[in-house]
Amino acid sequence: DAGVIQSPRHEVTEMGQEVTLRCKPISGHNSLFWYRQTMMRGLELLIYFNNNVPIDDSGMPEDRFSAKMPNASFSTLKIQPSEPRDSAVYFCASSSGEEQFFGPGTRLTVL
Amino acid sequence: SQQGEEDPQALSIQEGENATMNCSYKTSINNLQWYRQNSGRGLVHLILIRSNEREKHSGRLRVTLDTSKKSSSLLITASRAADTASYFCATDARDYKLSFGAGTTVTVRA
Repeated sequence: DAGVIQSPRHEVTEMGQEVTLRCKPISGHNSLFWYRQTMMRGLELLIYFNNNVPIDDSGMPEDRFSAKMPNASFSTLKIQPSEPRDSAVYFCASSSGEEQFFGPGTRLTVL
Repeated sequence: SQQGEEDPQALSIQEGENATMNCSYKTSINNLQWYRQNSGRGLVHLILIRSNEREKHSGRLRVTLDTSKKSSSLLITASRAADTASYFCATDARDYKLSFGAGTTVTVRA
């Protein structure tokens, strides 16, 4: 198995632009998580899906952030409009039990 | 929010020495997990210890859990250069939703 796949690996954009991050979980995993990692705040859970349904989005910072999981093999995290404070590494993780498997992350820089 | 807090924040040791790091948490848990993150990479699961367990081993890793003190420790024995990474504890209170600590950065000197 290729593991959790994220794209793009790096994204540089200008303030106000829309950003879409993509994630393909490990086949057979029924839970998917989006995290954000920064030096100041560490690793924060943004949203958690189970069987493609959003279960907990309490970590989503504000309405500019949205996430979807249209099917078991694909999820997106969208930021519109983006702001410089959104600069971070965004990780997707999937699981079929207690252990989570992380993707390589997308490093987002908003200028 | 971060439930787990690791101590120390950073640790530098000589190859072959043992590395010990601690994690404290605030609420009741189902299990506690340790993850490793190499620079520029995603987190990798190392070991899981359940709330009814006190100690667990996996290769050169030893984890202890004291639920009365709400604390855990991770011991890496006979460290190698490849162990250089950040180590995070994560608590699972319910529904497999993990809360991560700030991490301990370990540097193993050759």
